[in-house]
Amino acid sequence: EVQLVESGGGLVQPGGSLRLSCAASGFTFSSYWMSWVRQAPGKGLEWVANIKQDGSEKYYVDSVKGRFTISRDNAKNSLYLQMNSLRAEDTAVYYCARRGYDVPAFDIWGQGTMVTVSS
Amino acid sequence: AIRMTQSPSSFSASTGDRVTITCRASQGISSYLAWYQQKPGKAPKLLIYAASTLQSGVPSRFSGSGSGTDFTLTISCLQSEDFATYYCQQYYSSATFGGGTKVEIK
Repeated sequence: EVQLVESGGGLVQPGGSLRLSCAASGFTFSSYWMSWVRQAPGKGLEWVANIKQDGSEKYYVDSVKGRFTISRDNAKNSLYLQMNSLRAEDTAVYYCARRGYDVPAFDIWGQGTMVTVSS
Repeated sequence: AIRMTQSPSSFSASTGDRVTITCRASQGISSYLAWYQQKPGKAPKLLIYAASTLQSGVPSRFSGSGSGTDFTLTISCLQSEDFATYYCQQYYSSATFGGGTKVEIK
């Protein structure tokens, strides 16, 4: 079964850091672009970051540039999001998502992990 | 950045209705558009990509059309399991989502 499972969310104070992980299974992880997408409580979806199959290209939404870092370990079939200098507006459910092989829509999603930034 | 605007933001409908949701891009995106369905507490699910191609396993009552800046998602005969929030997303340049359309039971 194709599956993505996120972990690492929790409560963190403003200015703090958190590292999210996403474990992939059921497909050849190293063949796909991977992404993080977030959703603030009661709000819509926001793309956060993308990473190429070999990690050589990374892209971010402007609001997280310089604070968040996306990475991957193909040997461990894992995707990561290092989040530093967290702000209240980063509070959201963070989803790991696979970009389709031929069409870069998000065809597989994890269940999400909640990040709450609050003092 | 390309902005995606959906309308309406919400509406009520009955089982069996034909419903249409509109998505407009702030600039031309060819057919680089996807539609997702999201139910409360769940991850989004890809329904349509390339504006009109049905994702595997998605019922044929869902259809998409459009190109350039104007797109529509149509559900030909609304079923109980279709009450959800729908999002459009462009992947012409990076990725941006519309604000969502919530389909509620009348």
